[in-house]
Amino acid sequence: QVKLVDSGGGVVQPGVSLTLSCAASGFSFSSYGVHWVRQAPGKGLEWVAFIRNDGSVEFYAESVKGRFTIARDNSRNTLYLHMISLRSEDSAVYYCAKDGALRVGPDYHYYMDVWGKGTTVTVSS
Amino acid sequence: DIVMTQSPDSLAVSLGERATINCKSSQTVLYKSNKKNYLAWYQQKPGQPPKLLISWASTRESGVPDRFSGSGSGTDFTLTISSLQAEDVAIYYCQQYYDKVITFGQGTRVEIK
Repeated sequence: QVKLVDSGGGVVQPGVSLTLSCAASGFSFSSYGVHWVRQAPGKGLEWVAFIRNDGSVEFYAESVKGRFTIARDNSRNTLYLHMISLRSEDSAVYYCAKDGALRVGPDYHYYMDVWGKGTTVTVSS
Repeated sequence: DIVMTQSPDSLAVSLGERATINCKSSQTVLYKSNKKNYLAWYQQKPGQPPKLLISWASTRESGVPDRFSGSGSGTDFTLTISSLQAEDVAIYYCQQYYDKVITFGQGTRVEIK
């Protein structure tokens, strides 16, 4: 079945780096764009970043631009989120999510039809 | 960025009654060339990831009960639960995917009255 397993979260100090991973299975990973979405404790959903199926295009939320980098390895069916200069406001559950459709024409991306269970990042001194 | 505003922030509905959640975008999410609204609805229960309910403003995801329906176009959208069940207690989010930067509404908490 279609599955995403996100991992790599932990408790880190402000200013350090961390890389999250998301292992995909049950679908043609190289055919779909994928997203990272986060949710701070008790708060709503915040989209973080997107990468196209072939890795050629990336989009970021303003709040993470320049600090976070989304990447993928289609040979390993794995998505990554490299995070540097972490701040307390980056503390959240981070979810990877699959784009809900194959990209058509000029569309940037789509809704998210499959989500990982989430990995928790806590930035605290 | 497109701002998504949901109303109300929370609502309490009796079992079997209708629940209606509104979502307004700060600019259109209707793509004129294909006449599609780039709007989705999600349900999130405590301790779980969000679950896609509806895409393209009104297309119900496979397996989603037909008591859930989406409507609207342009900037104004609605999620309706026609007959609220106990398992529908959750937070519901709208999301636009029209723009490069995806944005979600703040969420609407649905409870049983």
